[in-house]
Amino acid sequence: DAKTTQPNSMESNEEEPVHLPCNHSTISGTDYIHWYRQLPSQGPEYVIHGLTSNVNNRMASLAIAEDRKSSTLILHRATLRDAAVYYCIRIYYGGSQGNLIFGKGTKLSVKP
Amino acid sequence: SQTIHQWPATLVQPVGSPLSLECTVEGTSNPNLYWYRQAAGRGLQLLFYSVGIGQISSEVPQNLSASRPQDRQFILSSKKLLLSDSGFYLCAWSGSGNQPQHFGDGTRLSIL
Repeated sequence: DAKTTQPNSMESNEEEPVHLPCNHSTISGTDYIHWYRQLPSQGPEYVIHGLTSNVNNRMASLAIAEDRKSSTLILHRATLRDAAVYYCIRIYYGGSQGNLIFGKGTKLSVKP
Repeated sequence: SQTIHQWPATLVQPVGSPLSLECTVEGTSNPNLYWYRQAAGRGLQLLFYSVGIGQISSEVPQNLSASRPQDRQFILSSKKLLLSDSGFYLCAWSGSGNQPQHFGDGTRLSIL
């Protein structure tokens, strides 16, 4: 059970912003939200993670709702290389194992 | 910087043959190590994880096994492969349970 809900697919135009939503309505106070993406025939790549506050890095921004029941991954300017499956994952903060439970993710298509 | 190596990249094996996939990590000490499998068109499934030498936890009962003979070496094995063992096998490491996981390039295993 992935315990997160994402749209199956989304489309974007190149150089436009993309907002990828994720619902995690049963999240607990100690769960982090991690985002990964997977290009065809490659292993997943870490994108960003956060707990309560919005986060920014060189790849993307993560906006976490105040009640933490949803979050949005923001790609500020989509490129063709951003076409991938994006996974939103909850992970327990206090665990030593860090077991990621991958759902089906959102397949992002980027049109030139 | 840390790097993770997985080999081979592709492997074709007959049913009933043994299997050994190796994963090594460089540039870090005492990492958490993980083996995942991705069947065609499906999400990633955690198979095994390890928090230290000789410490292996299994997530899914099957005919696969894992070992960690050295701090930064993780091996996935089988004595007799089944057709259902086909898939994309990925090794990953993290610094601790809630830290991002970093994946290798994977091994695509086909069973004939």
